Amino acid sequence: EVQLVESGGGLVQPGGSLRLSCAASGFTFRTYWVTWVRQAPGKGLEWVANIKQDGSEGYYVDSVKGRFTISRDNAKNSLYLQMNSLRAEDTGVYFCARLRVGTLGGLDVWGQGTTVTVSS
Amino acid sequence: DIQMTQSPSSLSASVGDRVTLTCRASQSIGSWLAWYQQKPGKAPKLLIYKASSLESGVPSRFSGSGSGTEFTLTISSLQPDDFATYYCQQYLTYFTLTFGGGTKVEI
Repeated sequence: EVQLVESGGGLVQPGGSLRLSCAASGFTFRTYWVTWVRQAPGKGLEWVANIKQDGSEGYYVDSVKGRFTISRDNAKNSLYLQMNSLRAEDTGVYFCARLRVGTLGGLDVWGQGTTVTVSS
Repeated sequence: DIQMTQSPSSLSASVGDRVTLTCRASQSIGSWLAWYQQKPGKAPKLLIYKASSLESGVPSRFSGSGSGTEFTLTISSLQPDDFATYYCQQYLTYFTLTFGGGTKVEI
């Protein structure tokens, strides 16, 4: 079964750090771009970051540039999001998703999400 | 940056209704648009990719159209399972993805 499973969410104080993980299974992880998408409570979806298949480059929404780092370990079929200098507005559910590139496109496989709460 | 605007933000409909949702891009994105359905507490589900291609396993009552800056998602006959929030998303480049604000379809 093709699957993504996030972990690592929790309660953190403003200015703190958290590392999210996403474990992939059921497909050849190293051949796909992967993505983090978040959703603040009661709000819409927001793309956070992407990473290429080989992990050589990550791309970020402006609001997290310099604070968040996306990375992957293809040997472990895992995606990560290191979040530093967290703010209240970073609170929400964080989803990892598989991005199809080429002639198809779209985020076709999603994890169930992990909740991050930034509060004192 | 490309902005995506969905309208309406919410709508009320009945089972059996034909429903059309609109998504506009701030610049041309060709056909590089996807639509997602999200139910409360769940992850989004891909419905349509490349503006009009139906994702495998998605009922044929869902259809997408448009190109450039104007796109629509149509549900031909609304079913009870379709009450959810729908998001469009552009992927002109893979370096930045942008979602629309969503349309909530309510009973």
